[in-house]
Amino acid sequence: GAGVSQTPSNKVTEKGKYVELRCDPISGHTALYWYRQSLGQGPEFLIYFQGTGAADDSGLPNDRFFAVRPEGSVSTLKIQRTERGDSAVYLCASSPGQGIVFFGQGTRLTVV
Amino acid sequence: RKEVEQDPGPFNVPEGATVAFNCTYSNSASQSFFWYRQDCRKEPKLLMSVYSSGNEDGRFTAQLNRASQYISLLIRDSKLSDSATYLCVVNTNAGKSTFGDGTTLTVKP
Repeated sequence: GAGVSQTPSNKVTEKGKYVELRCDPISGHTALYWYRQSLGQGPEFLIYFQGTGAADDSGLPNDRFFAVRPEGSVSTLKIQRTERGDSAVYLCASSPGQGIVFFGQGTRLTVV
Repeated sequence: RKEVEQDPGPFNVPEGATVAFNCTYSNSASQSFFWYRQDCRKEPKLLMSVYSSGNEDGRFTAQLNRASQYISLLIRDSKLSDSATYLCVVNTNAGKSTFGDGTTLTVKP
């Protein structure tokens, strides 16, 4: 596709459940980022992939969060044992380099 | 202290006004700098890159002061359509892009 695609666009889950959020980056972009954004705040860095490997996962808040990018294209962010505080918009972005990132429309996660 | 700090505003200005936003960053190893624009309930989109020599794109002018670790964005002749949140972004050579919390601008008729 022409842009970064994220699915689902909205996800409501019960506290304690497991969720997976998918990101399909712009074709040819080797760098992929996950951010999360809460109301009134800027995007908060979670993890950055260069190809298949996580180049920087320092933003993952705890071990309930994990992300993979097995073939260097599509990435999945996985959250175990969700908590209400995980509710946010999860943004994926890809980059052709030089620090410029292009975002998808995000997945709005609500944990009830 | 956050790595990238911005005045949250809000800035409420009349159409035609000139408005300036400031941003400071703490990581002296930062290599590239950007302003992004985010409309309500939308994803951030690149507005412009920021270069040491300063750069202009129409009504928008961006400046970088590496010594002071300070970035600015000037909007001249504000339009109603400029109403949005403006995010300052700093990128290290390692690839990580860090965002400020944004400055909200409302342009009123």
